[in-house]
Amino acid sequence: SQTIHQWPATLVQPVGSPLSLECTVEGTSNPNLYWYRQAAGRGLQLLFYSIGIDQISSEVPQNLSASRPQDRQFILSSKKLLLSDSGFYLCAWSVGISEAFFGQGTRLTVV
Amino acid sequence: TQLLEQSPQFLSIQEGENLTVYCNSSSVFSSLQWYRQEPGEGPVLLVTVVTGGEVKKLKRLTFQFGDARKDSSLHITAAQPGDTGLYLCAGAGGSTLGRLYFGRGTQLTVWP
Repeated sequence: SQTIHQWPATLVQPVGSPLSLECTVEGTSNPNLYWYRQAAGRGLQLLFYSIGIDQISSEVPQNLSASRPQDRQFILSSKKLLLSDSGFYLCAWSVGISEAFFGQGTRLTVV
Repeated sequence: TQLLEQSPQFLSIQEGENLTVYCNSSSVFSSLQWYRQEPGEGPVLLVTVVTGGEVKKLKRLTFQFGDARKDSSLHITAAQPGDTGLYLCAGAGGSTLGRLYFGRGTQLTVWP
């Protein structure tokens, strides 16, 4: 069966520090991968999605970047965090245009 | 602009009441999904509807896909406190391959 791992679960980082959130998927090949950010109790803002290695699309100009070094690995990064980067970050995968399966999320607090 | 509009944004009801949540768009989707999310966790898929006019039932939850595949509804019968959560709809099959479009969600609270 397929599983998705996202870590860390919580993170407190100072302003100006770098960020690296990692997501890996097991049990499937060539998945579509997504990074979302969610404001408290609200919907999902798509940050990046990838349909293959080296094929990453950015939805919103921001202080973040994404990379896909392996087929089932998706990394969200920042060189210098801003206070506004705080939020709940979710990684997800799908196959084709089917439903998405989400990780448990990372609560990022920038202080 | 939001491609999928969900209403209401917030819903607070007593246990045993019925409710309906709506998801509307001016765009056509090849499929539409409903998710439920609890605080601090990722959304979990409830159902996928594919065919226009399709109705799916999941215990006390009834999902309907509009005939034109632009809108959907979720009806809960005899709501229970365990139904509390954020309900999200998502459309697939827009102009961008692999892209899912999420609504802002409906926050449902069911009081005992």
